Amino acid sequence: GAVVSQHPSWVICKSGTSVKIECRSLDFQATTMFWYRQFPKQSLMLMATSNEGSKATYEQGVEKDKFLINHASLTLSTLTVTSAHPEDSSFYICSALGTVRDEQYFGPGTRLTVT
Amino acid sequence: RKEVEQDPGPFNVPEGATVAFNCTYSNSASQSFFWYRQDCRKEPKLLMSVYSSGNEDGRFTAQLNRASQYISLLIRDSKLSDSATYLCVVKEDSNYLLIWGAGTKLIIKP
Repeated sequence: GAVVSQHPSWVICKSGTSVKIECRSLDFQATTMFWYRQFPKQSLMLMATSNEGSKATYEQGVEKDKFLINHASLTLSTLTVTSAHPEDSSFYICSALGTVRDEQYFGPGTRLTVT
Repeated sequence: RKEVEQDPGPFNVPEGATVAFNCTYSNSASQSFFWYRQDCRKEPKLLMSVYSSGNEDGRFTAQLNRASQYISLLIRDSKLSDSATYLCVVKEDSNYLLIWGAGTKLIIKP
């Protein structure tokens, strides 16, 4: 149980285009999901907290107009990187908050490369 | 000062050796503590929670010292498959947010 999927797992896009990443909780409902970013040899950095049916809460320094988050259902949150640039190339990981012990269940991550 | 600090790595350790990771946290109100393992280009996976009384899971032992705000992870009889980055994570139970250490890379050599 408590499986989280992400799609796509790897994407390469050209500078200036937008990329949408999906995060799904497969066997449980998640009212809260988190989006992280991880640059090489660095730890995970929380970008935003996504709550179903309401606006996401962004961490300081994260541009909400660039990283659009939509959590329209209890099993799906999406992160759209708008007008991507090479510096946005990173490993994007989502997690979903469990309902029993507040444990976070992580998706397998999406590796974004912007050329 | 970083909220969660870990030993810088990498640790290069021969197979079969015992290795210890240390971690300190700055917020004394922190309530939950974890060690995660992350393999290269993969998502982090929960290795074990850390309880006040200390806890053991096979070759892995975690300890917490609240007075010193210090967490440790000991791996005995290390295996090649233990090679990974080990992340110390702290949660303030007033919210769901996880505070991540930068991680310590472990390389087990045959």
